[in-house]
Amino acid sequence: AQRVTQPEKLLSVFKGAPVELKCNYSYSGSPELFWYVQYSRQRLQLLLRHISRESIKGFTADLNKGETSFHLKKPFAQEEDSAMYYCALSTTGGFKTIFGAGTRLFVKA
Amino acid sequence: NAGVTQTPKFRVLKTGQSMTLLCAQDMNHEYMYWYRQDPGMGLRLIHYSVGEGTTAKGEVPDGYNVSRLKKQNFLLGLESAAPSQTSVYFCASTEGWGAFFGQGTRLTVV
Repeated sequence: AQRVTQPEKLLSVFKGAPVELKCNYSYSGSPELFWYVQYSRQRLQLLLRHISRESIKGFTADLNKGETSFHLKKPFAQEEDSAMYYCALSTTGGFKTIFGAGTRLFVKA
Repeated sequence: NAGVTQTPKFRVLKTGQSMTLLCAQDMNHEYMYWYRQDPGMGLRLIHYSVGEGTTAKGEVPDGYNVSRLKKQNFLLGLESAAPSQTSVYFCASTEGWGAFFGQGTRLTVV
């Protein structure tokens, strides 16, 4: 069965500090992994996907197949990064996308 | 660009009533999904569809039915609403490389 685990419900950091949001997955096939973000009063939106190996708004995420992890990182957090972050896994072909429970990031001034 | 549109945005139902949530997408996506979002639970997949005329159960399908008669529309039905179905419902569509979400429907069952 597929599963996405985000162990932290809430993560609070100071502005300018590094931030890492953890994500672990369980899937027997070859997963497609994503990070989504939901800012206050806005709809969920795609932040980045592992296949693109991109950096969006200073965030990066590396797929570690050995540790089955896809942690989201940013070296210097900004107040506008405060939001709910969801890690997601799509099964082969993108048929089924499941989400973790989410981590609320709060960046303090 | 409309993207993914959900109707209605808000609804209050009495226990036992029925209703249908409509999701419409204008991106010609094959895959569509219905999720519910609850505090501490994240997004849980209710049902999904991999194309017109097809539907499949997700993680929490009980109490819900869906239909995909047209490619652009994905309907979520509650035949007999229960307080446990109080939640925020999100529809999404994708071609497999990242999903686009609707704005959500806040449903309260009293």
